[in-house]
Amino acid sequence: DAKTTQPNSMESNEEEPVHLPCNHSTISGTDYIHWYRQLPSQGPEYVIHGLTSNVNNRMASLAIAEDRKSSTLILHRATLRDAAVYYCILRGNAGNMLTFGGGTRLMVKP
Amino acid sequence: NAGVTQTPKFRILKIGQSMTLQCTQDMNHNYMYWYRQDPGMGLKLIYYSVGAGITDKGEVPNGYNVSRSTTEDFPLRLELAAPSQTSVYFCASRGQLNTYEQYFGPGTRLTVT
Repeated sequence: DAKTTQPNSMESNEEEPVHLPCNHSTISGTDYIHWYRQLPSQGPEYVIHGLTSNVNNRMASLAIAEDRKSSTLILHRATLRDAAVYYCILRGNAGNMLTFGGGTRLMVKP
Repeated sequence: NAGVTQTPKFRILKIGQSMTLQCTQDMNHNYMYWYRQDPGMGLKLIYYSVGAGITDKGEVPNGYNVSRSTTEDFPLRLELAAPSQTSVYFCASRGQLNTYEQYFGPGTRLTVT
């Protein structure tokens, strides 16, 4: 699987939007972009995924650059419960496994 | 549905001891996975299974064994525990081929001393 690069940590204020960036310059045409998050002392939790088009679900939005070399996870209104490590992962079309990098630790201030 | 359950939650082993980490899912998922997470790091895949009777190695399989005799259960066996196996172990499952979401269990924290 291709590699992703994320900032080690980010801070946000409660109730404000958060944009979490991810670079994946070596992405191939069939790689899906997945986001998971891990709350303290818990297993990872699926957030969203996409291939080419922007995606929205109840948790977040995923904005994918036109050249697919970067993407941004958008939390529209951060809450204290959103404090977690967010992982950006590329998954090949035939792949069964997820390769987790270091992720971005999001801290949310009240 | 209970989802993915793991037992035990915590365990301390002495070097050279053996143990089995249990993982069960009640979602009738074909795909199951074992990951380990060292402090401050991301998860690394140990083994995975695409269905009962079929298992394959992941990124870091050395020192571990798995079996998949039923759809529900995917135990991970440590035969000769070593300090390098001190980690948090997560089991996960996924449904059919065109579903992408992996569901993770709460983890087992293992210390080998």
